[in-house]
Amino acid sequence: GAVVSQHPSWVICKSGTSVKIECRSLDFQATTMFWYRQFPKQSLMLMATSNEGSKATYEQGVEKDKFLINHASLTLSTLTVTSAHPEDSSFYICSAPLRQGQGETQYFGPGTRLLVL
Amino acid sequence: DAKTTQPTSMDCAEGRAANLPCNHSTISGNEYVYWYRQIHSQGPQYIIHGLKNNETNEMASLIITEDRKSSTLILPHATLRDTAVYYCIVRVGRNTGKLIFGQGTTLQVKP
Repeated sequence: GAVVSQHPSWVICKSGTSVKIECRSLDFQATTMFWYRQFPKQSLMLMATSNEGSKATYEQGVEKDKFLINHASLTLSTLTVTSAHPEDSSFYICSAPLRQGQGETQYFGPGTRLLVL
Repeated sequence: DAKTTQPTSMDCAEGRAANLPCNHSTISGNEYVYWYRQIHSQGPQYIIHGLKNNETNEMASLIITEDRKSSTLILPHATLRDTAVYYCIVRVGRNTGKLIFGQGTTLQVKP
């Protein structure tokens, strides 16, 4: 199957700082990527759709000025958590779609665990 | 958007088949049924998907009822490594690729 990577796998930062998370599709190109957030014992929540060459589309309730998304190339999307606070501590996961036969399959990265102190 | 209903949790004995049900009674004609699983602290892993016909791959089988209102994921010989949360998802829209996750079924495979 297709491979999606994320970097870093975990990060600890101080409150008020910004953190950048990278998502890469390693063996395929993706004009669209997706960012999810997952709190402990909860399901994944879609945050935004990252679009190569244009602005990201945010889900309702997600602050676009706080979670900056840049889709720099066909294999890279970045999520920057600006002025991070402890409530932003979470597991951030990206995905990229690949068209295969019937329909389209999303491949997920391994996730980035963020802890804000 | 079609929603899915899954049991909260299930147990399965190691080596036996695990049958995970999913109801999606409001599914529309062009929506696919996808199954993913998430092992603790990892990103979700794609398992299988289908539209109308039953599907099988190296990981699992997907049985979709004729009216498409429900489906069953079958892991033929469950192992301890299959312990995970299994998500049944009906894809939102035809081309957007967005996946909306429900709460899923926590499958516990026991020795």
